[in-house]
Amino acid sequence: GQQVMQIPQYQHVQEGEDFTTYCNSSTTLSNIQWYKQRPGGHPVFLIQLVKSGEVKKQKRLTFQFGEAKKNSSLHITATQTTDVGTYFCAGDLSGNTGKLIFGQGTTLQVKP
Amino acid sequence: DVKVTQSSRYLVKRTGEKVFLECVQDMDHENMFWYRQDPGLGLRLIYFSYDVKMKEKGDIPEGYSVSREKKERFSLILESASTNQTSMYLCACRRRSSYNEQFFGPGTRLTVL
Repeated sequence: GQQVMQIPQYQHVQEGEDFTTYCNSSTTLSNIQWYKQRPGGHPVFLIQLVKSGEVKKQKRLTFQFGEAKKNSSLHITATQTTDVGTYFCAGDLSGNTGKLIFGQGTTLQVKP
Repeated sequence: DVKVTQSSRYLVKRTGEKVFLECVQDMDHENMFWYRQDPGLGLRLIYFSYDVKMKEKGDIPEGYSVSREKKERFSLILESASTNQTSMYLCACRRRSSYNEQFFGPGTRLTVL
């Protein structure tokens, strides 16, 4: 079946270092969404990418959607302790049903 | 703001019991979803519902059923709980039109002994 693979599973960084997580889909996606889950919390929507090659920024976070719409990345510049959590990508095959295929998530730990 | 509530934060049940997990949303969203979250596996879709009385199987429906009699409420039922159903269960809702995000509830951590 369709899969979205996300790497790495864990990342420990020193505060101030950069962080990147990658998603790869086995099939072309209509769009991709990113969610953040703080420890003990629930996933919260961050952003959605729809267009091929799209790049969006939210302060220190940069999101990219690949040209073939099969891969995506989230890059955090100069991590802070508030960035701690698990980041999930979620691929949408059709754009209409709302049915998402979630990656396994990348758990980010930031050492102060 | 969308509010999604789940009936219990923590639940402990015994093997073979029938378990009901309730989810209620207050924003009149058409789509509702049930996921389970396990370490290293991400979120896996159990069932989803496009609208009232409509339901479709997700990726791992075995051992589960659902009910959506009212738009705001989506129930997940474990007919006969087993230890391998010990997990975090997350409910989500979404407005039906294209390219909308999902809003999640706080989750229910279910332990089956």
